[in-house]
Amino acid sequence: AQKITQTQPGMFVQEKEAVTLDCTYDTSDPSYGLFWYKQPSSGEMIFLIYQGSYDQQNATEGRYSLNFQKARKSANLVISASQLGDSAMYFCAMRADSSYKLIFGSGTRLLVRP
Amino acid sequence: SAVISQKPSRDICQRGTSLTIQCQVDSQVTMMFWYRQQPGQSLTLIATANQGSEATYESGFVIDKFPISRPNLTFSTLTVSNMSPEDSSIYLCSVPEQGAFFGQGTRLTVV
Repeated sequence: AQKITQTQPGMFVQEKEAVTLDCTYDTSDPSYGLFWYKQPSSGEMIFLIYQGSYDQQNATEGRYSLNFQKARKSANLVISASQLGDSAMYFCAMRADSSYKLIFGSGTRLLVRP
Repeated sequence: SAVISQKPSRDICQRGTSLTIQCQVDSQVTMMFWYRQQPGQSLTLIATANQGSEATYESGFVIDKFPISRPNLTFSTLTVSNMSPEDSSIYLCSVPEQGAFFGQGTRLTVV
């Protein structure tokens, strides 16, 4: 069975600082992908970044980077230079390549302080 | 990446009625997923909509409550039937191909 765990229900960060959102996962599939999404109060799910299980390098997309530690089964999201607009819910998700279904963590609410 | 248009974006419905949510993709895709997000919760997969065959429902979801249509490779609908306040949620469609992108979501309130 697959499982995603986000242990931080809420996080605060000062504007312009960096923040790390934690995500651990469990799967028996050898090939899988890890995703991070941002959900503002509007409810839409905004794709941020993707990491494949066989990717050698950590994924980066602008201010977002994914700290992928395969042996520890962790895929933490790092947001650099936080902005007020980063305040939102953040979800980590996993998808085994044998199935296209996304399994989501419980989410972390990030609040950026001015 | 696929562009996914979902409508309505929000609605307030009376209990006992039904609402049909539409999801349109700008390219042909094999699979479309429907998710539900109850207030304060994470996303849960309702069903997989495959063109030309019956939808595949996850445990806890049944066709009578959430009938799904998939008439072609770019379009799907999800109906929430005989609604109760417990159905108040955000409903999202997703396309797994070319990544894992979502429509804008439908925020449903049942009164």
